[in-house]
Amino acid sequence: QQQVKQSPQSLIVQKGGISIINCAYENTAFDYFPWYQQFPGKGPALLIAIRPDVSEKKEGRFTISFNKSAKQFSLHIMDSQPGDSATYFCAVTGTASKLTFGTGTRLQVTL
Amino acid sequence: NAGVMQNPRHLVRRRGQEARLRCSPMKGHSHVYWYRQLPEEGLKFMVYLQKENIIDESGMPKERFSAEFPKEGPSILRIQQVVRGDSAAYFCASSPLLGQNTGELFFGEGSRLTVL
Repeated sequence: QQQVKQSPQSLIVQKGGISIINCAYENTAFDYFPWYQQFPGKGPALLIAIRPDVSEKKEGRFTISFNKSAKQFSLHIMDSQPGDSATYFCAVTGTASKLTFGTGTRLQVTL
Repeated sequence: NAGVMQNPRHLVRRRGQEARLRCSPMKGHSHVYWYRQLPEEGLKFMVYLQKENIIDESGMPKERFSAEFPKEGPSILRIQQVVRGDSAAYFCASSPLLGQNTGELFFGEGSRLTVL
């Protein structure tokens, strides 16, 4: 099965700070690189996604940076808020929209 | 437009019993995926189904686990003779037609199975 390595495992950021989560993948045959957000007791929900022919995508406070040659992509959360406290999963997707997830990063934003 | 509906939300079984988890995809979605999430771990792909067809079951254990998505009714994930290691949250996700791969699957809120 395809490997997606995610770091850090957990992250504590002060309100207003920048949260950065990194992922690395092994195969190049993927169509999309999404990030999912999961709150306790809930299912994951798509936060933002990027195609491999784009190096950066920004939506509000959330930015994906993509480095195709290094097979890495990262999520930046600017001006982090307590409401952003959740678990974040990177993923890769290829044929048939099948997602392979990273191991997750538990983000806590403190006041 | 209702989202992906899963039931039961919580299920308790004793070792050796059977667990049946049901999933109704979003309206208009014909593709269903099942994922398993162990405590403090990520989501692991189990199986991908279309109506009346299993497309990819590469993540499903060969024994005791089965899945179906009949022409009428919800998709069902069935676990026979459950063991304690089956305790996990099982998530169902759906997507619309192929050709619209945007990296987005729509997840339900999960079914949490506890095996005593």
